[in-house]
Amino acid sequence: TQLLEQSPQFLSIQEGENLTVYCNSSSVFSSLQWYRQEPGEGPVLLVTVVTGGEVKKLKRLTFQFGDARKDSSLHITAAQPGDTGLYLCAGARTGGFKTIFGAGTRLFVKA
Amino acid sequence: DAMVIQNPRYQVTQFGKPVTLSCSQTLNHNVMYWYQQKSSQAPKLLFHYYDKDFNNEADTPDNFQSRRPNTSFCFLDIRSPGLGDAAMYLCATRGQGSNQPQHFGDGTRLSIL
Repeated sequence: TQLLEQSPQFLSIQEGENLTVYCNSSSVFSSLQWYRQEPGEGPVLLVTVVTGGEVKKLKRLTFQFGDARKDSSLHITAAQPGDTGLYLCAGARTGGFKTIFGAGTRLFVKA
Repeated sequence: DAMVIQNPRYQVTQFGKPVTLSCSQTLNHNVMYWYQQKSSQAPKLLFHYYDKDFNNEADTPDNFQSRRPNTSFCFLDIRSPGLGDAAMYLCATRGQGSNQPQHFGDGTRLSIL
């Protein structure tokens, strides 16, 4: 059974602080996606990483895919209250239909 | 513009009374998924379709059924809802290719009285 271990599960920080969320597995994924979900809405895609070692930036968010494609991280610089939400990492394997989701990180950014 | 649309957004039903949730998509994706999500947990896959091929997860209760009459529409039927079935139900689609992301609807929040 493939598992994606996501940490931390909960994070409460002050506006302006930096944070990193981790997603780790013993399995190799062909791609990994990060989603953000706000209360009462469905998850919204932030980024897909495909190549080992790949780094992608989305404004204050930096995503990295591990060299071995088994882990990923999301770093947020100078967090803002609008970043509050549930962050989900999700891994896919070549030729498969299922996406393996991490347990999620609930982020709360206080003004 | 919403590309995966779920109706209704909120559904209240009585214990044991059948309920149907619907999902439509304008993306023409051949893969569609139904997930159950409880209290800020990760979505739990119930089943997925590849075109008309139906794939049930081993731990999906028999109480949950699905229909996909065409590419655009997919339905989740809960035959006899129990209190434990109260949750957010998410529909998602995916295009061809395992590295394609899933596109989620905004979900239907189901409450059981």
